[in-house]
Amino acid sequence: SAVISQKPSRDICQRGTSLTIQCQVDSQVTMMFWYRQQPGQSLTLIATANQGSEATYESGFVIDKFPISRPNLTFSTLTVSNMSPEDSSIYLCSGLTGLNTGELFFGEGSRLTVL
Amino acid sequence: AQKITQTQPGMFVQEKEAVTLDCTYDTSDPSYGLFWYKQPSSGEMIFLIYQGSYDQQNATEGRYSLNFQKARKSANLVISASQLGDSAMYFCAMREGDNFNKFYFGSGTKLNVKP
Repeated sequence: SAVISQKPSRDICQRGTSLTIQCQVDSQVTMMFWYRQQPGQSLTLIATANQGSEATYESGFVIDKFPISRPNLTFSTLTVSNMSPEDSSIYLCSGLTGLNTGELFFGEGSRLTVL
Repeated sequence: AQKITQTQPGMFVQEKEAVTLDCTYDTSDPSYGLFWYKQPSSGEMIFLIYQGSYDQQNATEGRYSLNFQKARKSANLVISASQLGDSAMYFCAMREGDNFNKFYFGSGTKLNVKP
């Protein structure tokens, strides 16, 4: 299995501020993704993090709100900008190795609460 | 139409008994993968088991087995000999074909194991 670690694990933020979440993966991971899980909800894909280029965003998510970087194969960041209470969620970094069954591996998640 | 449907928002099971969590899926792609994940209260998503659409036998991983009924498009998770540590949210997911950036997640089932 792939090792994916992200930080912070949780944070409490003030309205209007921005927070950057970091994700480090091991070398087995080829594709990286960012998911959002709002309270009591399922997972929604925010974007695919592309190495060295702009991320590919899903419908409903825009770069200005969720800028993503992936400067190299094993590291990515997600910024949640100009936060509002509606952004309170768990943000999950995930990766695919392309090996075996192609399951998604996930980081520990970053639980953000916006006041 | 929903790609993945989990009709049980919550389930209770007595410790040491078996429990079945339901999952139905919708796809017209002959090639797909089905996955189950466990999410404890800590928020991490833990991969449990995988079933490929062409697999002839039901997948098993320790106490987890997947009851795959292709004609009915169902992929129920069976947990045998439930333990207190099995209390968590369980998500069924599907990947269609080779669309690695397209994982569809169900709404989840919260399992509570009673001592």
